[in-house]
Amino acid sequence: SQELEQSPQSLIVQEGKNLTINCTSSKTLYGLYWYKQKYGEGLIFLMMLQKGGEEKSHEKITAKLDEKKQQSSLHITASQPSHAGIYLCVPNTGNQFYFGTGTSLTVIP
Amino acid sequence: DAGITQSPRHKVTETGTPVTLRCHQTENHRYMYWYRQDPGHGLRLIHYSYGVKDTDKGEVSDGYSVSRSKTEDFLLTLESATSSQTSVYFCAISERGRGGGTDTQYFGPGTRLTVL
Repeated sequence: SQELEQSPQSLIVQEGKNLTINCTSSKTLYGLYWYKQKYGEGLIFLMMLQKGGEEKSHEKITAKLDEKKQQSSLHITASQPSHAGIYLCVPNTGNQFYFGTGTSLTVIP
Repeated sequence: DAGITQSPRHKVTETGTPVTLRCHQTENHRYMYWYRQDPGHGLRLIHYSYGVKDTDKGEVSDGYSVSRSKTEDFLLTLESATSSQTSVYFCAISERGRGGGTDTQYFGPGTRLTVL
């Protein structure tokens, strides 16, 4: 089975601060998806990484996948209250998606 | 945003009654999924569909059935609802699916179901 560790489990930051969420897999990933879920709402697709060393950015969010395709990080620059929510890294093992409980991010104005 | 709607968005029902949740998509995607989300758990797959009338079980399928008579609609039925099925249910769609290189899944807004 897919063993995936996401850290931290929760994060409270002051508005304007940078932050990083990490995701580590025990197995090589076919792909790694980042989703965001606002409280009480559905999951929003952020980015998908497939190639070792790949990096993608969307607005103030940057995600990277390491060369070995076992670790990914999501970095938010100059956080805003709109960034608050639960961030999930979702591995694609080539067969199905595995959803953990993610990282709960609170941004204090 | 992917065109996915779920109905109803909220429902309260009593133990033993049948309940049907509907997922509707306008993207013409082949694959559709039903998940449930409970506190302390990540999303867990109930059933999925890889085409009209083609469905398969996920990891928590007991007590649930599904049907897909049209590409755009995927129904989840609780034949006799129990309190353990109180949950938030999410529908998702993707262009490709299992075994063929799973593609990005796009999610609906969710249905909050309470079984008393």
